[in-house]
Amino acid sequence: GDSVTQMEGPVTLSEEAFLTINCTYTATGYPSLFWYVQYPGEGLQLLLKATKADDKGSNKGFEATYRKETTSFHLEKGSVQVSDSAVYFCALKAGGGADGLTFGKGTHLIIQP
Amino acid sequence: GAGVSQSPRYKVAKRGQDVALRCDPISGHVSLFWYQQALGQGPEFLTYFQNEAQLDKSGLPSDRFFAERPEGSVSTLKIQRTQQEDSAVYLCASSPADRGLGEQYFGPGTRLTVT
Repeated sequence: GDSVTQMEGPVTLSEEAFLTINCTYTATGYPSLFWYVQYPGEGLQLLLKATKADDKGSNKGFEATYRKETTSFHLEKGSVQVSDSAVYFCALKAGGGADGLTFGKGTHLIIQP
Repeated sequence: GAGVSQSPRYKVAKRGQDVALRCDPISGHVSLFWYQQALGQGPEFLTYFQNEAQLDKSGLPSDRFFAERPEGSVSTLKIQRTQQEDSAVYLCASSPADRGLGEQYFGPGTRLTVT
């Protein structure tokens, strides 16, 4: 079945550091790929998405590129801020009519001033 | 504007009790999803509604779980004879597009603890 694997956390970085959170997936067909973020005390919010190979999603300084050859969708940001501290979830929506999203386990990111 | 709301936010049930969890989606959203999120895990899909029709219930873990959306807006997830393994956060999401093709907007969740 479909699955998403993302790096275990917590990931602790200093402010202004470079961020990478790895995400790889297994899916049949051609899935759409997403990063969701959950800030403390809030619900899940869509951060960015990509719907086909080589697409780059971007938002709030975060980027991720849909790599079909490596089945990956790694999240990157050039300079993190304390306000980026949150839990990040990689997710996919499989092609072929499957309705729900398949999520990874989440990566807790902690940014220290 | 109003987002997706869920009630109650917290529910404690004794093992064997029935519970009902409510979701108010964003007005006009066609699609409604329920997910179950265990501690330290990502959300797992339970079921999907397009308006009042339940088109996918492949993720419901047992026949103790039942969901409805009778008028195509508010939805209720019911769990009968709760078990300890049902303890989790139950998330509701809605989307303006059919069959999960668009962005899903999530509610804050209901944390269910079965004692």
